[in-house]
Amino acid sequence: EDQVTQSPEALRLQEGESSSLNCSYTVSGLRGLFWYRQDPGKGPEFLFTLYSAGEEKEKERLKATLTKKESFLHITAPKPEDSATYLCAARGGGGSQGNLIFGKGTKLSVKP
Amino acid sequence: DTAVSQTPKYLVTQMGNDKSIKCEQNLGHDTMYWYKQDSKKFLKIMFSYNNKELIINETVPNRFSPKSPDKAHLNLHINSLELGDSAVYFCASSQAGHWKEAFFGQGTRLTVV
Repeated sequence: EDQVTQSPEALRLQEGESSSLNCSYTVSGLRGLFWYRQDPGKGPEFLFTLYSAGEEKEKERLKATLTKKESFLHITAPKPEDSATYLCAARGGGGSQGNLIFGKGTKLSVKP
Repeated sequence: DTAVSQTPKYLVTQMGNDKSIKCEQNLGHDTMYWYKQDSKKFLKIMFSYNNKELIINETVPNRFSPKSPDKAHLNLHINSLELGDSAVYFCASSQAGHWKEAFFGQGTRLTVV
């Protein structure tokens, strides 16, 4: 069964304190690894898509990387406005029939 | 201009009622989805639909049914609502092809009392 696991569940950082969020996946025939940001009361907002191991993408203070088993979302010098829940999702070609399979998210809090 | 919009944003209803949630996308996408986010914030696929195929998550009760009047709309109908149906429901859409990211609406918070 396709599965996505995120860790930690919650992460508290001081402003400027860099860290990484982990996403482990077991998906047959990976067709993309996706990162989303979700603010309270809102829908997930698309951040990145990664397709193959070794690929990296950056946007402002965020950088996403991908290996054959994991993806990391690195946050460099975070600011309070980066506080949100970060969701990882994978598309596979197997039992999930190409649908996005989400992890449970990492709730990030950045204190000033 | 909202890309994926859902109505209503909040829905409070009694057990046993039938209700609908509407979803529209103006992105020209071919595929639309319904996701359910439970109290633990876990997003789970319910349906995916394009003009050729409806894929139903086997764990979804048959009280839930998607209806698509055209390519830009995918409404969710729920019959005989139960307390356990309380959750946030998200509509999403993507271009055809499994490589494409999905864009989400703002969600509908359904509360069954």
